[in-house]
Amino acid sequence: KNEVEQSPQNLTAQEGEFITINCSYSVGISALHWLQQHPGGGIVSLFMLSSGKKKHGRLIATINIQEKHSSLHITASHPRDSAVYICAVWNRDDKIIFGKGTRLHILP
Amino acid sequence: DVKVTQSSRYLVKRTGEKVFLECVQDMDHENMFWYRQDPGLGLRLIYFSYDVKMKEKGDIPEGYSVSREKKERFSLILESASTNQTSMYLCASRRPGTVYEQYFGPGTRLTVT
Repeated sequence: KNEVEQSPQNLTAQEGEFITINCSYSVGISALHWLQQHPGGGIVSLFMLSSGKKKHGRLIATINIQEKHSSLHITASHPRDSAVYICAVWNRDDKIIFGKGTRLHILP
Repeated sequence: DVKVTQSSRYLVKRTGEKVFLECVQDMDHENMFWYRQDPGLGLRLIYFSYDVKMKEKGDIPEGYSVSREKKERFSLILESASTNQTSMYLCASRRPGTVYEQYFGPGTRLTVT
């Protein structure tokens, strides 16, 4: 079993829909990271979380440390949000563990 | 604006060639990382460096070596490229500490024929 599991693996939705991507992990962590990768490969950081909730524009990330679960939400989704979203955790040994990513496709 | 650059976006090499992938960061970060990314496997750590002249093996170091002679530059070396090293290679840097973000380069898509 992977230490970081994301769901769903693939998601197709219509423009305007509310999107949720989930991340569950099985190790003790010091921080959780949400990343976005567009076609072409470059990865950008969206959020770094160690507790609670963060919001940036239409993106919201939450984390529940007790349940070892984080969610990434996108409100009013747009075709430019189409990308792979990657959850990663830093464990207590300062090692980063990546999920396999969620491929999101927003249809116009 | 923070920046991590990689020497090539696309690279095609022949089996047996020695390949150098260069990564440069301008943020004065101590920590630097090399990953490869393959479909269905996600990102996997090859090597990392906590500071100049330091290097540590990651999860899949076989067939690779690294060099960190200057703080801003971290090189990945494929001593004798093989077809199973065809992949996307991503470099990242990070200021040390457990809550600091990694900053990624644009990636190098390497094809070994």
